[in-house]
Amino acid sequence: GDSVTQMEGPVTLSEEAFLTINCTYTATGYPSLFWYVQYPGEGLQLLLKATKADDKGSNKGFEATYRKETTSFHLEKGSVQVSDSAVYFCALSDVGSQGNLIFGKGTKLSVKP
Amino acid sequence: EAQVTQNPRYLITVTGKKLTVTCSQNMNHEYMSWYRQDPGLGLRQIYYSMNVEVTDKGDVPEGYKVSRKEKRNFPLILESPSPNQTSLYFCATRPSGRAEAFFGQGTRLTVV
Repeated sequence: GDSVTQMEGPVTLSEEAFLTINCTYTATGYPSLFWYVQYPGEGLQLLLKATKADDKGSNKGFEATYRKETTSFHLEKGSVQVSDSAVYFCALSDVGSQGNLIFGKGTKLSVKP
Repeated sequence: EAQVTQNPRYLITVTGKKLTVTCSQNMNHEYMSWYRQDPGLGLRQIYYSMNVEVTDKGDVPEGYKVSRKEKRNFPLILESPSPNQTSLYFCATRPSGRAEAFFGQGTRLTVV
């Protein structure tokens, strides 16, 4: 079945450092891809999405590009802030299962001042 | 304001005592689902519903029940909770034809 693999955490960075969180997927069709963010004590919020190959999703300084050839959707940010500390989940929408979301295991990011 | 509301937010209960976690949405979304989040395992889907009176199992349905009698509500029922159901639970909704989901704030359940 479809699956998502993202880099293990935790990731600890200093403020203003460059962030990359790797995400690769396995899918039989052409899924939509997402990054969700979970701030401490809160539910998941959609951070960005891409619905087809070569699409770039962006929001709040974060970016990710849907790479069909490498089946990847890596999350990047040029300069992280303390307020970016959260758990980040990569996910795909499984076209073969009513559009259900399949999540990676999450990557915890801590940004130090 | 568009909301997915779960209750309770926190619950400690004993093994075998039936409980219900409620989920309500005000966005008129057809699709609703339940996930559990466990350390090192990410989010796993328990049940989902494509519309009223239509429910189906997700990846980890054992020990759970759901019902969808109204569009806005999708309660999660644990008939006889066990300690391995201690987890963080999320309800999510999405509209037809769209892939992105909207999540509730979560319910932290502890079964002792």
